[in-house]
Amino acid sequence: QSVLTQPPSVSGAPGQRVTISCTGTSSNIGSNYDVHWYQQLPGTAPRLLISGNNNRPSGVPDRFSGSKSDTSASLAISGLQAEDEADYYCQSLDRLLSGPVFGTGTKVTVL
Amino acid sequence: QVQLVQSGSELKKPGASVKVSCKASGYTFTRYGMNWVRQAPGQGLQWMGWINTKTGNPTYAQDFRGRFVFSLDTSVSTAYLQISGLRSEDTAVYYCATPAREVILPFHYWGQGTLVAVSS
Repeated sequence: QSVLTQPPSVSGAPGQRVTISCTGTSSNIGSNYDVHWYQQLPGTAPRLLISGNNNRPSGVPDRFSGSKSDTSASLAISGLQAEDEADYYCQSLDRLLSGPVFGTGTKVTVL
Repeated sequence: QVQLVQSGSELKKPGASVKVSCKASGYTFTRYGMNWVRQAPGQGLQWMGWINTKTGNPTYAQDFRGRFVFSLDTSVSTAYLQISGLRSEDTAVYYCATPAREVILPFHYWGQGTLVAVSS
């Protein structure tokens, strides 16, 4: 059971912009903990996409961006491409659970 | 470059035990903690806990206290996950993951995953 809620799925046409929300509570995102995002392509291990709310590790295209406000965060993908079809997970710390928590995950479909 | 290489898939019967390994290379093994993450078939990611690679002290998430044991062999830069009393609901892919700095999050590096299937 995850304490970070994401929409099960989002979709968009190639070139469009999509956003994925990650809704938390006062014990995680609302406690000023950073939010991180991972991309999981089918059949592969997760890959770090965004760290510290809005920082892209080396090699991540600038089409991906993150933001955070109050008890929620968002991942935006602009200029959607076929290769972006994957599952996306947010992550933060939770002070009540005393450890990291993942979001429920969102499947992005490119139409 | 940092690499985490995990042991191969396992098929076990209910009640048996399994030990999954995660061999690290490309960095000083004892510098960063090692985390374990479970992903059941068709499900999301679940943090199982982590082990302090300097002290060997493990921390388990609530759902993973009892049958799950984290251990190390620092001489070969390897972390282990042992699961005893396997149940069908333990069928999942298990990942090891580590940050790139001396912080808790995020997990910069991931193993390729080990499928543990439990079936009679």
